[in-house]
Amino acid sequence: AQSVTQPDIHITVSEGASLELRCNYSYGATPYLFWYVQSPGQGLQLLLKYFSGDTLVQGIKGFEAEFKRSQSSFNLRKPSVHWSDAAEYFCAVRARGSTLGRLYFGRGTQLTVWP
Amino acid sequence: DGGITQSPKYLFRKEGQNVTLSCEQNLNHDAMYWYRQDPGQGLRLIYYSQIVNDFQKGDIAEGYSVSREKKESFPLTVTSAQKNPTAFYLCASSAPRTGKQPQHFGDGTRLSIL
Repeated sequence: AQSVTQPDIHITVSEGASLELRCNYSYGATPYLFWYVQSPGQGLQLLLKYFSGDTLVQGIKGFEAEFKRSQSSFNLRKPSVHWSDAAEYFCAVRARGSTLGRLYFGRGTQLTVWP
Repeated sequence: DGGITQSPKYLFRKEGQNVTLSCEQNLNHDAMYWYRQDPGQGLRLIYYSQIVNDFQKGDIAEGYSVSREKKESFPLTVTSAQKNPTAFYLCASSAPRTGKQPQHFGDGTRLSIL
């Protein structure tokens, strides 16, 4: 069965430090991959997505993610974190070629940024 | 601007009462989804609909019902059979079934028990 694992429930970083949020998936074939961000009391906003091709994808707000097939991972990175990046981050996958369109989400990683 | 509107933002339910959460989209998306979010559990799929007048159960459909009479609207009813309804509910939509289209989310409804 498909699953998405975000190993880190909570991460704390200092403003200006680099960030990496981990995401691993379990699927029969490489799925479509997404990262979303959620501010408190809000809906989810798409940060970036990977379908095929270049394994390093750029997103909004200075985020990027790297797809590694050998590790079934899609880790999110940012070189220098800003206080406004404090939020919860979700990795999600969708089966390639799926006609149902449903996403499977990880449990999320809460990011705290210290000034 | 196009988007998804969920209402109300906060909702309170009494014991034995059914409540309905509204979700409207003007993105011309075919597919719509309802998720339940609890702390530390991510998003769990309640129901989804690919076209008007058709919908499927997700992973946690018990105690919930939906309808899809119009393309723009996908209301969720939390019935009295749902014994633990306190949660944050998110509605989402996506374009036709290409698989590559991301889901767009509303701002959620927080449901609490009185």
